[in-house]
Amino acid sequence: SQTIHQWPATLVQPVGSPLSLECTVEGTSNPNLYWYRQAAGRGLQLLFYSVGIGQISSEVPQNLSASRPQDRQFILSSKKLLLSDSGFYLCAWSREAAQYFGPGTRLLVL
Amino acid sequence: AQSVAQPEDQVNVAEGNPLTVKCTYSVSGNPYLFWYVQYPNRGLQFLLKYITGDNLVKGSYGFEAEFNKSQTSFHLKKPSALVSDSALYFCAVRDLSNAGNMLTFGGGTRLMVKP
Repeated sequence: SQTIHQWPATLVQPVGSPLSLECTVEGTSNPNLYWYRQAAGRGLQLLFYSVGIGQISSEVPQNLSASRPQDRQFILSSKKLLLSDSGFYLCAWSREAAQYFGPGTRLLVL
Repeated sequence: AQSVAQPEDQVNVAEGNPLTVKCTYSVSGNPYLFWYVQYPNRGLQFLLKYITGDNLVKGSYGFEAEFNKSQTSFHLKKPSALVSDSALYFCAVRDLSNAGNMLTFGGGTRLMVKP
């Protein structure tokens, strides 16, 4: 069966510091991968998606970036965090119709 | 373009009563429709999906949803609510023409089941 992992689970970072969040998927190959941000426990905002290694599409211009160095690894990064980057970050994978989500990373920027 | 509306921010039901969480959608072609549930500080869990076939779809934890093409709705239902069903519920839609399998999510409905 397929599983998706995210780490860290929680992160507290100062404004201006760099960020790296990691997502890995097991039990499948060549999945589509997605990064979402959820603010205030409500709606989901799609940030990036990837249909293959090195292929990244950005949905919202901002100071975040994403990379896919391996088939089942998706990384969300920032060179300098802003206060507004605080939120709950969710990674998801899909191979057919549905998307399946990881446990999420809670990021607090102070 | 595809869109989803969940008209209720919150739904309150008593334990043991039936529950309905509403969802309407808009797509240019035939839709794929989904329901997810989110517990506090957790990721979204897949509940059920409609792709084609029977309009009544059964999913996890006793939930079901009814696809109504004429009303462009996909309401989530459960015959008898449990306190443990209290969570945030998201409806999502994908247009079949969407090559990236991108889902559009509704804003979420908080379900509160009281004992």
